[in-house]
Amino acid sequence: KAGVTQTPRYLIKTRGQQVTLSCSPISGHRSVSWYQQTPGQGLQFLFEYFSETQRNKGNFPGRFSGRQFSNSRSEMNVSTLELGDSALYLCASRYTGTPEDTQYFGPGTRLTVL
Amino acid sequence: SQQGEEDPQALSIQEGENATMNCSYKTSINNLQWYRQNSGRGLVHLILIRSNEREKHSGRLRVTLDTSKKSSSLLITASRAADTASYFCATDLIIQGAQKLVFGQGTRLTINP
Repeated sequence: KAGVTQTPRYLIKTRGQQVTLSCSPISGHRSVSWYQQTPGQGLQFLFEYFSETQRNKGNFPGRFSGRQFSNSRSEMNVSTLELGDSALYLCASRYTGTPEDTQYFGPGTRLTVL
Repeated sequence: SQQGEEDPQALSIQEGENATMNCSYKTSINNLQWYRQNSGRGLVHLILIRSNEREKHSGRLRVTLDTSKKSSSLLITASRAADTASYFCATDLIIQGAQKLVFGQGTRLTINP
């Protein structure tokens, strides 16, 4: 099976712009989670989608949003970008979303905000 | 605040030696997982240990879990240069039936040839 894919891999934006990141989970996986990784804050949970519904959300401002499509692909959107949004954004998928399920991570999208 | 905290933050050893990393967490867990991340890349799942398990092996990896001390350790035996990476422990928080993985800050492991 193909792994989790994320596009684009690298992105450069300027402050105030918005950005959309895409994640394609492993075939058959219905749960997609998003994480932000920065040197200062480490890996932080953004949100999780399961069967097109957001069922868990981390402590991020409303500028961060996401959605999941019927084919389980997910997008994450960040509006009004700030310098502090520069980070590696990781997407992870799981089969059912139960605690016993392993999360498989994609390679990440490196976002740089200038 | 982070649920999991790794110790040490950085570790440098010679190839062939064993590497031990520790993780402490704060709340009750269902399971604890260890991940590896090569520089700036995605995370690779290494091993999951359930709360009712005390030890688990996978190849050169050995993970222990002590729920009474809320701690876990990852041992990599006979280290290789390719083991150079950051290692993270992650614990699950169940919020309204949904799982959220909470990661520690990680241990940066360097294997010197």
